[in-house]
Amino acid sequence: KAGVTQTPRYLIKTRGQQVTLSCSPISGHRSVSWYQQTPGQGLQFLFEYFSETQRNKGNFPGRFSGRQFSNSRSEMNVSTLELGDSALYLCASSIRGQGAGNTIYFGEGSWLTVV
Amino acid sequence: TQLLEQSPQFLSIQEGENLTVYCNSSSVFSSLQWYRQEPGEGPVLLVTVVTGGEVKKLKRLTFQFGDARKDSSLHITAAQTGDTGLYLCAGEAAGNKLTFGGGTRVLVKP
Repeated sequence: KAGVTQTPRYLIKTRGQQVTLSCSPISGHRSVSWYQQTPGQGLQFLFEYFSETQRNKGNFPGRFSGRQFSNSRSEMNVSTLELGDSALYLCASSIRGQGAGNTIYFGEGSWLTVV
Repeated sequence: TQLLEQSPQFLSIQEGENLTVYCNSSSVFSSLQWYRQEPGEGPVLLVTVVTGGEVKKLKRLTFQFGDARKDSSLHITAAQTGDTGLYLCAGEAAGNKLTFGGGTRVLVKP
């Protein structure tokens, strides 16, 4: 059974640009969550999608957005990139969603560097 | 905002020694999870504890959930170099949101 796949693995962008990251969940998983991981702030929750609907949202500015497709694949987009957006972006999938004792499975992440 | 504080932030020990990592909060969580993350990879779930006072053992790892479900600890007995990694605790709060602690970086030296 394939795990959570994130693309691209590494990318470098310039301030002001926008970026789109992709996540393919484990087959059969309908929930996809996105997290930002930085050395200073740790792992912070961005948003969760379940059956194409955003179910939960963290405390990030509107420049961070996401969506989920009918096949459960998800994308997140960051517009007007800032240096502080440099981070590892992790996607996690689960059958029913985070919480309630459900197991979530993380991908290897997308390393974004903003210069 | 519910915060989870992990201590220590960094731990360096010799192979064969024991170690304990703590995860504390002033908030009550319905469940708490522990993850290990190795360089270049995403976090991998080690255990979920749900009941206050619960103790779970996974080989040389012992996880405990506090009676009040506000804190947890991870104890590793006779650490091995393969235990090196970033250990993260995550608490489940209302609305099924997971809050992660800042992590404890463990280095086990041969």
